Amino acid sequence: AQSVAQPEDQVNVAEGNPLTVKCTYSVSGNPYLFWYVQYPNRGLQFLLKYITGDNLVKGSYGFEAEFNKSQTSFHLKKPSALVSDSALYFCAVRDSEAAGNKLTFGGGTRVLVKP
Amino acid sequence: AAGVIQSPRHLIKEKRETATLKCYPIPRHDTVYWYQQGPGQDPQFLISFYEKMQSDKGSIPDRFSAQQFSDYHSELNMSSLELGDSALYFCASSGTRGGYHNEQFFGPGTRLTVL
Repeated sequence: AQSVAQPEDQVNVAEGNPLTVKCTYSVSGNPYLFWYVQYPNRGLQFLLKYITGDNLVKGSYGFEAEFNKSQTSFHLKKPSALVSDSALYFCAVRDSEAAGNKLTFGGGTRVLVKP
Repeated sequence: AAGVIQSPRHLIKEKRETATLKCYPIPRHDTVYWYQQGPGQDPQFLISFYEKMQSDKGSIPDRFSAQQFSDYHSELNMSSLELGDSALYFCASSGTRGGYHNEQFFGPGTRLTVL
């Protein structure tokens, strides 16, 4: 079975400060990991993914994420947050050994960037 | 770039009525997924189709059915609607060329309200 945990319901950060959104996962095989962002009344927008290779993955809008196999984590980071980054962020996983291709999402973390 | 199209965007139904949601995937994408997102919840996988065949099934009620047509668009049919079916329904699509780890691109969602 595949599962994802986002331990923080909300993260508050001042504009210009670093932003980190935490994610841990559990899979039987190898993880395929994804981050999505959701703005109010909008669909989910893909930010970045880790499949294999370098542990540091760079994505859209200046976001990056670091895959840590020993800690089973895939934290999302941004060096300098913008007010416009305020949104709901979802981490998702797919187990390489799972049948089908469905994503399992974490509970989401609301990010609030204050001016 | 073309995105996933969903219609209608908003739908209001009475209890015990039926509803049909439509999804038009990104051109050349061969896999379609349906997710349900309740208020304040993370998206939950319902069902997916690859090349017009059901490829995976999640927590989809027996009252719901779905199919993918020859032009790759998909429809989610919901019968005997209940108040608890009120949610945002997302369709996503992906292409399998290059592997089954490709990211899913989400549509804007259909907001279903059951009164």
